[in-house]
Amino acid sequence: LAKTTQPISMDSYEGQEVNITCSHNNIATNDYITWYQQFPSQGPRFIIQGYKTKVTNEVASLFIPADRKSSTLSLPRVSLSDTAVYYCLVGDVATGGSYIPTFGRGTSLIVHP
Amino acid sequence: SQTIHQWPATLVQPVGSPLSLECTVEGTSNPNLYWYRQAAGRGLQLLFYSVGIGQISSEVPQNLSASRPQDRQFILSSKKLLLSDSGFYLCAWRDRGRHEQYFGPGTRLTVT
Repeated sequence: LAKTTQPISMDSYEGQEVNITCSHNNIATNDYITWYQQFPSQGPRFIIQGYKTKVTNEVASLFIPADRKSSTLSLPRVSLSDTAVYYCLVGDVATGGSYIPTFGRGTSLIVHP
Repeated sequence: SQTIHQWPATLVQPVGSPLSLECTVEGTSNPNLYWYRQAAGRGLQLLFYSVGIGQISSEVPQNLSASRPQDRQFILSSKKLLLSDSGFYLCAWRDRGRHEQYFGPGTRLTVT
């Protein structure tokens, strides 16, 4: 059973806000939500992480509703350079070696001029 | 600051030849280390992870193996490559107690 579900692809235009939603219906009490960005021929890059409510950094915002069964990565005013694959992961490092980061297919975001 | 190195960047090997990919991490101690493979247009498949020297866990049965001879060194090997071993190999590290992983630049392996 997949831990997370994301749309396979999304399209947007430069200057728009993009929201990518990830479903994680079976998230455990202590699980955190982590998002990565991957450009072609590069390794994924950590973007943002959260547990509940809202987290914001210089790159993105992460919105997590009270039930935590989903999360939304928000990219403000995207540019062509935001074209990438975005991955959502859930897990709890408190499990020590049992925490195994598992990447799904991710969401391929294409930003058009 | 921490850095992660992988080499070589690209590799073309014939079927049946051996493989050795190396990954080293600087600026941290006792990290968790990971090897992933990514086929073209696909997600990342976790191959191996290690929580300490000499401790290797395999996620997918295959003809690959991994070793961790030193705290910050992680090696991926094969005795005989298959065509299906082609792909983009990524090494990553994570500090214990933290969720985020940091990835190396990757090795593009083509088995011919």
